[in-house]
Amino acid sequence: DVKVTQSSRYLVKRTGEKVFLECVQDMDHENMFWYRQDPGLGLRLIYFSYDVKMKEKGDIPEGYSVSREKKERFSLILESASTNQTSMYLCASSLPGADTQYFGPGTRLTVL
Amino acid sequence: GENVEQHPSTLSVQEGDSAVIKCTYSDSASNYFPWYKQELGKGPQLIIDIRSNVGEKKDQRIAVTLNKTAKHFSLHITETQPEDSAVYFCAASNWGGANNLFFGTGTRLTVIP
Repeated sequence: DVKVTQSSRYLVKRTGEKVFLECVQDMDHENMFWYRQDPGLGLRLIYFSYDVKMKEKGDIPEGYSVSREKKERFSLILESASTNQTSMYLCASSLPGADTQYFGPGTRLTVL
Repeated sequence: GENVEQHPSTLSVQEGDSAVIKCTYSDSASNYFPWYKQELGKGPQLIIDIRSNVGEKKDQRIAVTLNKTAKHFSLHITETQPEDSAVYFCAASNWGGANNLFFGTGTRLTVIP
């Protein structure tokens, strides 16, 4: 089974802090994705990566950056957390050219 | 870009009844339409998908239909059970293109025992 793990299930940070959300997949998938999930808005794509050191902006990249130094790991970075970044963050991975995305359990981030 | 709309946002059914969730999409180039189920405290999991070259697909109690002309697709769950209670998301993508999934806003299904 594909396993996508996220470093924290719950995280509480203060406004202005730098926040790192880590995602690791164990199936050698080239594609990795970061989404945020908000009530009434569904899942919105923040950034995605097709390969190591490659990244592409999604629909809502403002206020975020990403890092993909190793194939299995994709990090989401909030340079200076703000209260409007309080949300559920979901990581996903897939094979190249494949449509099925496999999701991690999510990290619920609260910014105070 | 693609815009996916999903209705209803909440749905309550009696155990054993059927549930139908509908989605529309805007980009005629979209050709892949998955449905994800998200249980409490978990990430979304793929439950069924359909490609634009077929009109219907069935897997036990779950079926998905696609109308390319009208740009809408639907999830049908028959003989609902309490364990079907979850949030369901539809999505659309142009498979073979960017592989990006565009998600609907979700439907919270409650099956009443």
